Order: sequence, then structure tokens, then C-alpha cells
Amino acid sequence: AQKITQTQPGMFVQEKEAVTLDCTYDTSDQSYGLFWYKQPSSGEMIFLIYQGSYDEQNATEGRYSLNFQKARKSANLVISASQLGDSAMYFCAMRETNSGGSNYKLTFGKGTLLTVNP
Amino acid sequence: DGGITQSPKYLFRKEGQNVTLSCEQNLNHDAMYWYRQDPGQGLRLIYYSQIVNDFQKGDIAEGYSVSREKKESFPLTVTSAQKNPTAFYLCASIERWGTGTIGELFFGEGSRLTVL
Repeated sequence: AQKITQTQPGMFVQEKEAVTLDCTYDTSDQSYGLFWYKQPSSGEMIFLIYQGSYDEQNATEGRYSLNFQKARKSANLVISASQLGDSAMYFCAMRETNSGGSNYKLTFGKGTLLTVNP
Repeated sequence: DGGITQSPKYLFRKEGQNVTLSCEQNLNHDAMYWYRQDPGQGLRLIYYSQIVNDFQKGDIAEGYSVSREKKESFPLTVTSAQKNPTAFYLCASIERWGTGTIGELFFGEGSRLTVL
């Protein structure tokens, strides 16, 4: 079963409008972390925002906010006031640890390609 | 400036040849990772290493090998046993979680391997 599910292969948004990119996750851990990364066509991976499982408030970073609904296991990324430069691939990821807590890794979803139209 | 350097950026190889992708970091990070990216597949973990001289298989380790002789270096060898090696390969590193960091991955710029 997929641990990170991004159901939107592609999304379109008009410049200056807001857009929500969906992410649901599956874990039995109590402690975990959720990340969003942006990948422009150049291929580099840019960290955008982080939400810890124990954080009570939704994370925000400038125009990015994370709509964290723990009971529903969702961590949607909201981009406000979209800009042409926001056109890119967006990945949701979850930090997992092994049973001993000493090894950890990030598992990524398949991504959503966002296109911002002028 | 601190960062992760991957080389080469583009690599072509004939079928049946082994190839090694370099990954060097000067961030003093403990853990390093190799991911493979295919169109529509997201990033899939190949191998990761938490400390020198130790590494673990990820989800798609078959046909790949790694070494971690130095903290700064984590080279990936794509062997001839890898049946479909054409892909974009990303190396990443992370500070040890629990040292006041959130555990974000820092990525290199990637290496694009094409098998002819």
C-alpha cells in the first residue's frame, strides 16, 4: 500500500489565485513528520514546508501553508497568490523511523505537476 | 558554501557496463541517501547510510551498490544487473534528527543516466 498518496497528477491555476495540492498518508507511528518539496524543470529539489505530527498549529511559510488534518491523515499544501514561477512538480513526503527509532527515511508521493497560467 | 555535489550531471552508458555516480557533501551531515526518479513515479529510495561504514537497502536496491568509507562521500554504482537504469538520480543528506532539526533532506542537483 502506498504510504503517501497524491491524487492529482496535474493541476492548473490562474496567476494570483490560490491552489490546494492534496496529500494523504498512511502510518501507524505516533511521531512522524510531513514535508513538501518543489521541483522545477531544472530538477533541483527545494524544501518548502514542514509539519510535525505533534504540532497543533498548521505550518506556514510565506505564501505556503499546510492544512494538517491528523484524524483524516491529510497534509494538503495551500499556495496563495500563485505566481508564474510556482509552475513546477510538488512532492509530499513523510519521515519514517524504524522500530528502534535510530534509522529514518523520507518516503515520497508521486507528485503533482502545477501549471500557473497568466 | 555548504552543499551537496553530484557528478556527472549527465551520463551515457552502454548496456552491460557498470557506472558510478559521485555524491559529496560538506554539510557535516551524518546520513546520506540515494533516490531514483522516473516520470510519474516520484522519488524511490535506493540506499541510505546513517554512519560511516554502514548502509541499508531502500525500496529498490536490486542492481545497485554503495559504499560509505568517508562521512562526506556516498557513491552509487549502477551495475549491469539493474535492468532499467535510465533515470534521474538524486543524492541527499540530513542532519541527525533530534539535534534540533526537523529532518529535512538537502538534495544535490541530480545525475541523469541514459543507457544506450
